[in-house]
Amino acid sequence: DSGVTQTPKHLITATGQRVTLRCSPRSGDLSVYWYQQSLDQGLQFLIQYYNGEERAKGNILERFSAQQFPDLHSELNLSSLELGDSALYFCASSVGFSGGGTYNEQFFGPGTRLTVL
Amino acid sequence: AQKVTQAQTEISVVEKEDVTLDCVYETRDTTYYLFWYKQPPSGELVFLIRRNSFDEQNEISGRYSWNFQKSTSSFNFTITASQVVDSAVYFCALSGYNFNKFYFGSGTKLNVKP
Repeated sequence: DSGVTQTPKHLITATGQRVTLRCSPRSGDLSVYWYQQSLDQGLQFLIQYYNGEERAKGNILERFSAQQFPDLHSELNLSSLELGDSALYFCASSVGFSGGGTYNEQFFGPGTRLTVL
Repeated sequence: AQKVTQAQTEISVVEKEDVTLDCVYETRDTTYYLFWYKQPPSGELVFLIRRNSFDEQNEISGRYSWNFQKSTSSFNFTITASQVVDSAVYFCALSGYNFNKFYFGSGTKLNVKP
């Protein structure tokens, strides 16, 4: 158990809908990262937050948004869902941020499996 | 463009055999970072190692070792005396200096048979 929790574990929804995925980092970790793993696109880095601020943005679609709250949990919002958004969404956390020459070991949550019908 | 290639889609070995997973990368950055991750059948991702482009020293951690060669743009991963618990999909990844350019390879599925 990495100490990172993600809810829900599974989510089934329809095209055009909006969903929110939640991530609670390990105690003491200030950074949260979001990744998407799909059959078509493989593993992709989406976005990184550090202590409430966005630090790095990867291949995140405009229909997707994320935020990190003062209690350090993070939410990934996916809207106008399409069939291709079906994927496993991972959250990871680390003590510090990664970037600018600094990298911290990431601990991954179990993921949320999103199915868009 | 940045790219990570893991040409081996799937490898099967018998327990106690040594196995090397290949990773070839492309980047124009002078500063970059390379990673390996493990994804066991249970599905969670596990961070294994990070290496920066300035450090070409090989690294060994128990039965795991990594060989980084800038001349061939490769960052290969060797498991010595493989065990059934090593069965997983292994991903190589490449990151730019600021982590925003982050690319995973397609993964190599390792099957270790008893």
